[in-house]
Amino acid sequence: EPEVTQTPSHQVTQMGQEVILRCVPISNHLYFYWYRQILGQKVEFLVSFYNNEISEKSEIFDDQFSVERPDGSNFTLKIRSTKLEDSAMYFCASSDRNGGPGELFFGEGSRLTVL
Amino acid sequence: GDSVTQMEGPVTLSEEAFLTINCTYTATGYPSLFWYVQYPGEGLQLLLKATKADDKGSNKGFEATYRKETTSFHLEKGSVQVSDSAVYFCALSATSGTYKYIFGTGTRLKVLA
Repeated sequence: EPEVTQTPSHQVTQMGQEVILRCVPISNHLYFYWYRQILGQKVEFLVSFYNNEISEKSEIFDDQFSVERPDGSNFTLKIRSTKLEDSAMYFCASSDRNGGPGELFFGEGSRLTVL
Repeated sequence: GDSVTQMEGPVTLSEEAFLTINCTYTATGYPSLFWYVQYPGEGLQLLLKATKADDKGSNKGFEATYRKETTSFHLEKGSVQVSDSAVYFCALSATSGTYKYIFGTGTRLKVLA
């Protein structure tokens, strides 16, 4: 069964460092999303991406964040200068949507710990 | 904007007890509704879904009915098991724009043997 894969599963970094989280969405999907979950809290929408551009972003997704689909298969989330409060589980998701709301398929998540 | 309100946890039940986790939503239009489950240390797994009013989603003994009149999608299971211990998230698919999911705060369920 096709699945969304994410790497790394866990990354520890120092405050101020750049981090790139990687995702390989399901191959025929066209819509991509990043969510985050701070430990024990709700799952929050960060950004959606379609046709090689951001289609919607939340207020959390400030100038420190960026997304890219560099090679037609990977979908990356970059945090330019990490802060302590960026520590969270980051989930990638993809959907084929086919003209309407479709099911989002989530990866296993990448846990980011900022020290 | 669209939102999901979910009952606060944690919920602690004995094995074989009846489970209800309440979820209500606010949305313009007619969203699709979902329940996701997150086991300790794992990602989000789709448990069940319903795409229109009066639809009943069901899976692994869990079920939820899309009630437009009460804007609710309560999760139920007749007899819980220890293995059902997890966090349960109610979510809706936004009805416009990028159709992103909006999640509730999650309800932690602990089932005791």
